[in-house]
Amino acid sequence: DVKVTQSSRYLVKRTGEKVFLECVQDMDHENMFWYRQDPGLGLRLIYFSYDVKMKEKGDIPEGYSVSREKKERFSLILESASTNQTSMYLCASVGEEKLFFGSGTQLSVL
Amino acid sequence: GNSVTQMEGPVTLSEEAFLTINCTYTATGYPSLFWYVQYPGEGLQLLLKATKADDKGSNKGFEATYRKETTSFHLEKGSVQVSDSAVYFCALSAFNYGQNFVFGPGTRLSVLP
Repeated sequence: DVKVTQSSRYLVKRTGEKVFLECVQDMDHENMFWYRQDPGLGLRLIYFSYDVKMKEKGDIPEGYSVSREKKERFSLILESASTNQTSMYLCASVGEEKLFFGSGTQLSVL
Repeated sequence: GNSVTQMEGPVTLSEEAFLTINCTYTATGYPSLFWYVQYPGEGLQLLLKATKADDKGSNKGFEATYRKETTSFHLEKGSVQVSDSAVYFCALSAFNYGQNFVFGPGTRLSVLP
C-alpha cells in the first residue's frame, strides 16, 4: 500500500515562530500537494510540486513556502506563524490518477 | 475555473436508512470524479471514482454515477451503518498543467444506532 507519512499529528506553536511540516511518500510519486482543511471550506490547495525542486502556487499560498529537495519529501514552511494559520494540514501524492493522503497535522498557533 | 458543489451537512440518519449526498461540478473538458471519505482522526481516503460519462463507481455498498448531462455525481447507499459516520468529499480532477484536484466543502454524516 502507498504510504504518505506526515511527521506530526498535533503541533502547537507560538505566533511568529517558523514552522516546518514534513511529508514523505514511499511510492516514487512525482506529484505532491499540500492542502489545508477548515470546517465549511473543505480542502484548499496551498502549493504543489510536480518534480524535485519544482513548485507551483495553489489557491492560498500567502504566508507559506515549500521545499522539495528529494522526490519522496515535500515540506511546508510557515515563515512566521500567525493565528489564522491554525488549521488541519494534509499532504498528498498522486498515483494511478488518484490522491493518496497522509493522516494530517493539526496545527494550533497561539 | 473548475468547481465542486455538494450539499451542506450535517446529515443525520438512523441505521439502515437510505443515503444520498448530492454533488454537482463545473469543469472544462472531461474531468474524472471522485468521492473521498474522512473517518474521525484520519486523513482522506478514496471511496470510489468514475472517469467518464455514465461510469458508475462503487465500493463498500456506496455508488455514484457520472452524469454529464446534469454535471452531477451523487453518492448513494441503500442501508447505512454506524461505521459509515464520517465526512464525505466530492472532488474532480482535470489535467491542466499537470493533474489538479478540486474538492467540495465536505458533508458530515452521522449515523445513529
